Amino acid sequence: DVKVTQSSRYLVKRTGEKVFLECVQDMDHENMFWYRQDPGLGLRLIYFSYDVKMKEKGDIPEGYSVSREKKERFSLILESASTNQTSMYLCASRYGGITQPQHFGDGTRLSIL
Amino acid sequence: EDQVTQSPEALRLQEGESSSLNCSYTVSGLRGLFWYRQDPGKGPEFLFTLYSAGEEKEKERLKATLTKKESFLHITAPKPEDSATYLCAPLLSGGSYIPTFGRGTSLIVHP
Repeated sequence: DVKVTQSSRYLVKRTGEKVFLECVQDMDHENMFWYRQDPGLGLRLIYFSYDVKMKEKGDIPEGYSVSREKKERFSLILESASTNQTSMYLCASRYGGITQPQHFGDGTRLSIL
Repeated sequence: EDQVTQSPEALRLQEGESSSLNCSYTVSGLRGLFWYRQDPGKGPEFLFTLYSAGEEKEKERLKATLTKKESFLHITAPKPEDSATYLCAPLLSGGSYIPTFGRGTSLIVHP
């Protein structure tokens, strides 16, 4: 079974802090994704990566950046956290083909105070 | 305007009461469609991939079907453990080859 592990289940940070969310997958998947999920808005794509050192903006990249230095690890960075970034953050990975399903981690619930 | 619409937003069923969830999309050129199940506090769990109109997939009490403009998730004789949010995600042609998620249908099955 594919395992996607997000480093924290719950995280509380203060406005203005730089926040790192980490995601690791163990199946050598090329593609990795970061989403945020908010009530009534569904899953929205923040950034994705097709391979190591590659990154592409999703639908809502403002205020975020990403890093993918190794194939198995994809990090989401909140450069200066704001209260409107309080959300559930979900990481996913996918084997290369576009019609392959994404496999999700269990999420990080991030609160910015 | 949403490209993907799931209906109903919420559904309450009695155990054993069969029903269907709908996923419709406004953009043409479907490359495939995914169904996921999401339990509270967890990430979405993959259920099915459908690739072309007329295709059907089954798993236990769930059956997914696909037309050119919509997909249905039929739930036969549901049990309380089927309670979850069900998400559909069409893969639409053009763009970045990433599925577009609907907002989900929250299903509660009462014993």
